Amino acid sequence: DIQMTQSPSSLSASVGDRVTITCRASQSIRNYLNWYQQKPQKAPQLLIYAASSLQSGVPSRFSGSGSGTDFTLTISSLQPEDFATYYCQQSYGTPPSITFGQGTRLEIK
Amino acid sequence: QLQLQESGPGLVKPSETLSLTCTVSGISISSSNYYWGWIRQPPGKGLEWIGSIYYSGSAYYNPSLKSRVTISVDTSKNQFSLKLRSVTAADTAVYYCTREEVSSASDYWGQGTLVTVSS
Repeated sequence: DIQMTQSPSSLSASVGDRVTITCRASQSIRNYLNWYQQKPQKAPQLLIYAASSLQSGVPSRFSGSGSGTDFTLTISSLQPEDFATYYCQQSYGTPPSITFGQGTRLEIK
Repeated sequence: QLQLQESGPGLVKPSETLSLTCTVSGISISSSNYYWGWIRQPPGKGLEWIGSIYYSGSAYYNPSLKSRVTISVDTSKNQFSLKLRSVTAADTAVYYCTREEVSSASDYWGQGTLVTVSS
């Protein structure tokens, strides 16, 4: 299985801050990397697919980058509604054996 | 508007079979370019992919669950289903059904249903 490691596991930040979350794959996954946001008691929401493509309806302050084994999710200016848990997900292979990172909890400082 | 809705028992006894159904509305499950999947989340923990299926019936599974899982599709009812056999307390989780677009990103999710394994 391809292991996904997110860092940090938790993060405190303030409204207006620029925040970066990192996801590392145990082997190259090219750009088969997606990012999700999950708020308490809610289903996750797709933010970024294929490493850097913004899902329709997602604010442009969210961006993704990377390829191979190292990926980042950046929130350019934190808004109050962005405090949530973020997960990366890899979908490499045919058929893919999909795995998630352990999550990054983003909290208000 | 596309919607997915999970249904099934909220309580299952150890060693029995967990069965859930996802009803899709707003789009035909036979639409090409999409897979339909199941993901679960134990209370307070992270996400785990269970498996995915195409409308043709072609399915693939998480290797760690493969021996116990079957996912099937009923295009006439616009539904797909999950069966997880020989459950234990470790299978207690919120189970989500999702639509997966071509890169296997889940762009639509059901609200999730909590299944507790307990005697």
